[in-house]
Amino acid sequence: AQSVAQPEDQVNVAEGNPLTVKCTYSVSGNPYLFWYVQYPNRGLQFLLKYITGDNLVKGSYGFEAEFNKSQTSFHLKKPSALVSDSALYFCAVRTGGLTGGGNKLTFGTGTQLKVEL
Amino acid sequence: NAGVTQTPKFRILKIGQSMTLQCTQDMNHNYMYWYRQDPGMGLKLIYYSVGAGITDKGEVPNGYNVSRSTTEDFPLRLELAAPSQTSVYFCASSYRAGLGTEAFFGQGTRLTVV
Repeated sequence: AQSVAQPEDQVNVAEGNPLTVKCTYSVSGNPYLFWYVQYPNRGLQFLLKYITGDNLVKGSYGFEAEFNKSQTSFHLKKPSALVSDSALYFCAVRTGGLTGGGNKLTFGTGTQLKVEL
Repeated sequence: NAGVTQTPKFRILKIGQSMTLQCTQDMNHNYMYWYRQDPGMGLKLIYYSVGAGITDKGEVPNGYNVSRSTTEDFPLRLELAAPSQTSVYFCASSYRAGLGTEAFFGQGTRLTVV
């Protein structure tokens, strides 16, 4: 069974400092990995994804993520955090396939990022 | 661009009542999904659909039903509401079956069953 783990419920960082939100995955075959962000009382917004190729993926709002196959990780990073980055972040992995699987996403439990002045 | 639209945004139900959560998308996406979000639990898939007339169960389908009569609409039905169904419900859609395709989410419906 495919799964995603986000080991930290909350991450606190000072504005201007780099941030990392951790994600590890377990999947048979090649992983298709995603990061989503959720602002209060809003739906999830797509940030970035890894399909294949370069291990460093760049996404929206200055975020990037590093895919590490040997460590089965896909950590989200940003060089300089902003207060406006404060939100709930979800890592997800694609399950199923082109037929029958329904293209389902399996989500982690989420990490609350708090950026303070 | 409306994207994925869910109604209502909030609802309070009494135990045993029924209701339908509406979801519509204007992106001509074939794939649509219903998730529920509970604190500390992430998102759990309730039902999904790969196209009009085709639906299937996700991880937590008990107590829910869906239908997909058109490409645009994917309503979620609660027949006998229970307190365990208190949650935030998200509808999502995606363009195609490719594993690298991202999903687009609605703003959610916050449901409380009392």
